[in-house]
Amino acid sequence: NAGVTQTPKFRVLKTGQSMTLLCAQDMNHEYMYWYRQDPGMGLRLIHYSVGEGTTAKGEVPDGYNVSRLKKQNFLLGLESAAPSQTSVYFCASRSLGNEQFFGPGTRLTVL
Amino acid sequence: TQLLEQSPQFLSIQEGENLTVYCNSSSVFSSLQWYRQEPGEGPVLLVTVVTGGEVKKLKRLTFQFGDARKDSSLHITAAQPGDTGLYLCAVRPSGSARQLTFGSGTQLTVLP
Repeated sequence: NAGVTQTPKFRVLKTGQSMTLLCAQDMNHEYMYWYRQDPGMGLRLIHYSVGEGTTAKGEVPDGYNVSRLKKQNFLLGLESAAPSQTSVYFCASRSLGNEQFFGPGTRLTVL
Repeated sequence: TQLLEQSPQFLSIQEGENLTVYCNSSSVFSSLQWYRQEPGEGPVLLVTVVTGGEVKKLKRLTFQFGDARKDSSLHITAAQPGDTGLYLCAVRPSGSARQLTFGSGTQLTVLP
């Protein structure tokens, strides 16, 4: 089992560029989450999904879109990147026992 | 105002020392989780506490949930360099059973 994987690991964008972060899990979990982590602010929820074909907004959704076309994949999109979106992005999936399993993160820099 | 306040924000100690970090809130929760995040990795669940006053032990780590279920502490005995990391507490906010809210964490450094 690979658990939760994220691609890419690192990315540098220019302001206004777009990109998609991919999250995949092989644990058959229904719930998946995207967080961003900034110094001194812990993990903040961007969007989440409770199952294939469903998505919902979290605490800081503005500037991001998500899709869950397949149960094992959860995509996070930035349509027009801004410097304020420089952060480390974590994907997670949740087991029936309410444990969240995190990926290794994507470090994004927007210039 | 953050739902969860963790203290201290930073802690640097020598190997072999004991330490306690805290997670506080003015709200009552049905359960609370502690995660540890090592540099360059995602957080990993350490424990879930669900009953007021509950104490759980994980080797040298002791977790306690407050009697009123508003706060929690993590005590580490004889800290080792391998304990270095960011310790995060997390709860399910009222009315949001599907989500977790995290504290900002305590960054622990254990020096050899």
